[in-house]
Amino acid sequence: DAKTTQPNSMESNEEEPVHLPCNHSTISGTDYIHWYRQLPSQGPEYVIHGLTSNVNNRMASLAIAEDRKSSTLILHRATLRDAAVYYCILAGNYGQNFVFGPGTRLSVLP
Amino acid sequence: ETGVTQSPTHLIKTRGQQVTLRCSSQSGHNTVSWYQQALGQGPQFIFQYYREEENGRGNFPPRFSGLQFPNYSSELNVNALELDDSALYLCASSLGLDNRLENTEAFFGQGTRLTVV
Repeated sequence: DAKTTQPNSMESNEEEPVHLPCNHSTISGTDYIHWYRQLPSQGPEYVIHGLTSNVNNRMASLAIAEDRKSSTLILHRATLRDAAVYYCILAGNYGQNFVFGPGTRLSVLP
Repeated sequence: ETGVTQSPTHLIKTRGQQVTLRCSSQSGHNTVSWYQQALGQGPQFIFQYYREEENGRGNFPPRFSGLQFPNYSSELNVNALELDDSALYLCASSLGLDNRLENTEAFFGQGTRLTVV
């Protein structure tokens, strides 16, 4: 079973910020939080990952709650190309045997 | 483009046959993972290879086997194909240091679409 829970779907307007939530209440102290997205007919694509502190990269920002039981992926200005399924995954114990849940299907409206 | 290439892109096999899927990992990456993705679901972890040795396995039967070669490319073999094996098979490569992978990103290929009839 997936160790994270995410909403099944979300909708956003183009050029507006999007906040994608993820709950991981059973996270252990050494688990990293990873986000990947999968565009139609493609393999998953890395978005961002972090451990405790908030993280930023060219694609997105990751906000991690202080107790680490939840996190939020932030897309600052959604574009039509951001329409995808977004997966929040925990990685720990040296491994990268990702347990993918159903993810959040993000729709971006023009 | 991630630099991870998978072949073939599409394949049709008959129930009971055997299939070999191939993955060429990104240059310098020493770890390869394989996933099965059924239609409408998230990918499911099959197994992982680190420096040519199996380094973890998901809940898949022994008829799913793999190899990693000295150049870190990899194969996934499935024997005695069943209709439920129809899926998208994804390969992901990453660079593990001392077998630590949790703090590194994985690069996925486009997948091989396998149809079993």
